[in-house]
Amino acid sequence: AQTVTQSQPEMSVQEAETVTLSCTYDTSENNYYLFWYKQPPSRQMILVIRQEAYKQQNATENRFSVNFQKAAKSFSLKISDSQLGDTAMYFCAFMTRDDKIIFGKGTRLHILP
Amino acid sequence: DTGVSQDPRHKITKRGQNVTFRCDPISEHNRLYWYRQTLGQGPEFLTYFQNEAQLEKSRLLSDRFSAERPKGSFSTLEIQRTEQGDSAMYLCASIAGGAYGYTFGSGTRLTVV
Repeated sequence: AQTVTQSQPEMSVQEAETVTLSCTYDTSENNYYLFWYKQPPSRQMILVIRQEAYKQQNATENRFSVNFQKAAKSFSLKISDSQLGDTAMYFCAFMTRDDKIIFGKGTRLHILP
Repeated sequence: DTGVSQDPRHKITKRGQNVTFRCDPISEHNRLYWYRQTLGQGPEFLTYFQNEAQLEKSRLLSDRFSAERPKGSFSTLEIQRTEQGDSAMYLCASIAGGAYGYTFGSGTRLTVV
């Protein structure tokens, strides 16, 4: 069975600093998709960044980038120049062959002014 | 059609009552997913539809839960004889193809008192 593990339940960083959120997953599949979703307090879940497993190049979206290590089954998210609006729950997620997404338990990120 | 809509946003009900939630996906998305999210946890898969066909149901979905997607458009999730343990956020998401992840609705927060 596929699983997603986020080992950091909660993190706090100062505004403008860089923060890295960890995620590991387990699967026997070779081709799949990985995602990071952001859920601000009382707001909608939105997609932050996606990675295709067959691509070696790490995905980047503005201040957000990933470190994808396929052999280690690791998929960390780096947020550069963090902003107050980055405060949210962040979920690492794995997509199975039938497009079903399995989520980790999340990391609550606080950006401090 | 700007996104996935869920109605109602909040529902408070007495234990033992039946409740029904509605989800309107993005019109061109043929797959629709229901997830449940309890406080401080990641979303857990409940069921999904491809067009009008319900293709998979999680073991989390007891006999008191039923979901439909008539005509492959909107979907409803009904919970009969609600229990306090049903209190959660119920999320709906739709997808056109796996590569781009889900588009989530804002969710329906259910409180059973």
